[in-house]
Amino acid sequence: GAGVSQSPSNKVTEKGKDVELRCDPISGHTALYWYRQSLGQGLEFLIYFQGNSAPDKSGLPSDRFSAERTGGSVSTLTIQRTQQEDSAVYLCASSFSGTGGSRGEQYFGPGTRLTVT
Amino acid sequence: AQSVTQLGSHVSVSEGALVLLRCNYSSSVPPYLFWYVQYPNQGLQLLLKYTSAATLVKGINGFEAEFKKSETSFHLTKPSAHMSDAAEYFCAVSVGNRLAFGKGNQVVVIP
Repeated sequence: GAGVSQSPSNKVTEKGKDVELRCDPISGHTALYWYRQSLGQGLEFLIYFQGNSAPDKSGLPSDRFSAERTGGSVSTLTIQRTQQEDSAVYLCASSFSGTGGSRGEQYFGPGTRLTVT
Repeated sequence: AQSVTQLGSHVSVSEGALVLLRCNYSSSVPPYLFWYVQYPNQGLQLLLKYTSAATLVKGINGFEAEFKKSETSFHLTKPSAHMSDAAEYFCAVSVGNRLAFGKGNQVVVIP
């Protein structure tokens, strides 16, 4: 079946602009995660959704970052007033159930490469 | 806090030689451990996972890892490297509802 998809694959934006990154999880997966991958910081957790709720958003780096999930499916990560330090690859993952945490497999999308100029 | 440590960001291995990537964990409770592989411009793919069922875990592409509680380790091995194994490898531990990743090992396979 289809895997996790993300769009756009690449995004170049000017500093100060807002961007939206989209994630389509695997059908039937109730848990959805956003991570950020950058050269300096490695892979960092951003936010976890169970259904449409986000019980853990502790990894969001500032209030410029927000995310939502609708219909228990698609999720959008929004970055407002982008800064150069936001440049990174943003990875989305989903799993069958968040119950028991990450003991289940997380399936990753190909990521969105964000470049802030 | 639970975490994993991977040493040596770049690892070079000759084609046909043993691949050994080291991962040590820190956890106050029995950990759930994972190895992921990332090929260029792709997302992460699960190689294998340890969830306390068996200490020797076999994964895809001929990789395996052994959980050693006494050494707090979960090293990844493959007996014979292929050119197609060139990629970045990440060890990860389950922390609540998230994964905490190591810094990764970039594997280069020398023909």
